[in-house]
Amino acid sequence: RKEVEQDPGPFNVPEGATVAFNCTYSNSASQSFFWYRQDCRKEPKLLMSVYSSGNEDGRFTAQLNRASQYISLLIRDSKLSDSATYLCVVNPPLGNRDDKIIFGKGTRLHILP
Amino acid sequence: GAGVSQSPSNKVTEKGKDVELRCDPISGHTALYWYRQSLGQGLEFLIYFQGNSAPDKSGLPSDRFSAERTGGSVSTLTIQRTQQEDSAVYLCASSLGKDPRGAFFGQGTRLTVV
Repeated sequence: RKEVEQDPGPFNVPEGATVAFNCTYSNSASQSFFWYRQDCRKEPKLLMSVYSSGNEDGRFTAQLNRASQYISLLIRDSKLSDSATYLCVVNPPLGNRDDKIIFGKGTRLHILP
Repeated sequence: GAGVSQSPSNKVTEKGKDVELRCDPISGHTALYWYRQSLGQGLEFLIYFQGNSAPDKSGLPSDRFSAERTGGSVSTLTIQRTQQEDSAVYLCASSLGKDPRGAFFGQGTRLTVV
């Protein structure tokens, strides 16, 4: 099982729809999780952290399921400007000698007018 | 500056030449990453530096690739005898180790080997 796996997409979604991405991770002791956004020909930027209790930022909701080892990102009322690649990111367990942050390959989202 | 700085932003080189790419991480960040991204593809991990520990070089694709980090700050990625398949965007990121805010990226160096 890969350390971090995402469906590469692309997801083609009409404007205004709700879209959800999942990301699975292999190390059950991983401590913190993030979603990054990468626009075309730009560098990835932090979109939001993912907290155990789930968290919401406007139209975006992130959730963590430790039992099944996945995180999710839900985008409601999608906008054209949401078109981007969404990267799942996992921080290693505390105290782990290998503390390298792991980036998924990303899921491409196209919002259609 | 406040962010991660990479130079040059664009580099065109002839096949067989050596190139050096530079990354200035955010001041105080102990962790530094190099990634490669080909057009339309995901991030490909290359190398990771953390403090004074031995770097994790597990992602370097061949012995033509090497990287250094001097004084725990600036890093240089060197590609020797460049090949056309080396053409990609090379991204550098830094973080405070297990910083809960994650890693911050530079704008990348777009390398084109002709």
